Amino acid sequence: EDQVTQSPEALRLQEGESSSLNCSYTVSGLRGLFWYRQDPGKGPEFLFTLYSAGEEKEKERLKATLTKKESFLHITAPKPEDSATYLCAVLGQGGSEKLVFGKGTKLTVNP
Amino acid sequence: GAVVSQHPSRVICKSGTSVKIECRSLDFQATTMFWYRQFPKKSLMLMATSNEGSKATYEQGVEKDKFLINHASLTLSTLTVTSAHPEDSSFYICSARKGLAGVRDTQYFGPGTRLTVL
Repeated sequence: EDQVTQSPEALRLQEGESSSLNCSYTVSGLRGLFWYRQDPGKGPEFLFTLYSAGEEKEKERLKATLTKKESFLHITAPKPEDSATYLCAVLGQGGSEKLVFGKGTKLTVNP
Repeated sequence: GAVVSQHPSRVICKSGTSVKIECRSLDFQATTMFWYRQFPKKSLMLMATSNEGSKATYEQGVEKDKFLINHASLTLSTLTVTSAHPEDSSFYICSARKGLAGVRDTQYFGPGTRLTVL
């Protein structure tokens, strides 16, 4: 069974204090690993898709990396507007189209 | 871009009534759309997978007669909550897949619909 574990559950940073969020996964053949950002009362907003180990993608202050067992979302010099819950999900090659989500990391960036 | 809209964003209804939620992919065609439910401070729970022109596939434990899904076109899927009860109150979110199955299949999510059943 595909599984995703995100850590930490919650993270508080000061503005400008860089850090990383972790997403560990087990999947029977990875078709894709996805990062989303979700604000309270909103649907998830797509950030990145990673397909193979060694792949990296960047967008503004965010950088996502992927290994065979985990993915990191690096946040460089965060701002208060980066506060949100960050969700990681995987899609396996088991034939199902079902995304398996982690429970998310709630990030709070204080000014 | 890949924009998905939902309507309505909020709905309050009386117990026993039915509520329809629309999900549209605005700038791409989506052969597959997904319906999720999210409880407070919890992650998303997949309810069903909807393929254009065919019957939806429901996850275990989801009542297909209660949550009717129709995917009549490549840009529109609807979820109808029939005979709603207070326990159906939740945040419902749809997503649409851009790309073919097995290829580059990223799901893009709508903004969600808050359903409150009195």
